[in-house]
Amino acid sequence: GQNIDQPTEMTATEGAIVQINCTYQTSGFNGLFWYQQHAGEAPTFLSYNVLDGLEEKGRFSSFLSRSKGYSYLLLKELQMKDSASYLCASMDSNYQLIWGAGTKLIIKP
Amino acid sequence: DVKVTQSSRYLVKRTGEKVFLECVQDMDHENMFWYRQDPGLGLRLIYFSYDVKMKEKGDIPEGYSVSREKKERFSLILESASTNQTSMYLCASSKLTEAFFGQGTRLTVV
Repeated sequence: GQNIDQPTEMTATEGAIVQINCTYQTSGFNGLFWYQQHAGEAPTFLSYNVLDGLEEKGRFSSFLSRSKGYSYLLLKELQMKDSASYLCASMDSNYQLIWGAGTKLIIKP
Repeated sequence: DVKVTQSSRYLVKRTGEKVFLECVQDMDHENMFWYRQDPGLGLRLIYFSYDVKMKEKGDIPEGYSVSREKKERFSLILESASTNQTSMYLCASSKLTEAFFGQGTRLTVV
């Protein structure tokens, strides 16, 4: 079956670094997405990885290992506005997105 | 700026009512999707469409239908609303990979 696993909730301190992990099992693979969703709002695109390695975009980086079925999202210099849910999604061979349940990130001052 | 617009942010309907949720995108995307989002569960795909007048069932199509008469508009229909359809409904559109989401409709069925 198809499955995406990510932690339900994480807590971190303002100014620190946090890594949110995601493991996936999908029928075929056409890339791994990370989205950010603030409470009551729509998900917004953060990153897309289809090749192994690290993609850096400002304070946010995303890593992919296809052989391990593993990705992580790294957030540096955390700010209070980073408090949100972070959704991991894998695109399968039919170009359908399979979504994780999301990780709620709580930032404390 | 890309835009996906859903007709309502909040909706309260009675059990048994027919409910229409509308979604419009201005990006000329071929692909459009309807999801529902419930606490502790990932986004679950209800229906999607790859082109005008085309529709495909997602993972949880029961109790729903869709309509795509024009490229920019994708409607979700709850034929006879039930309390277990109380949820956040999200519409999305995409060209190839990245999906753009509407602001969501929080539907409560009483």
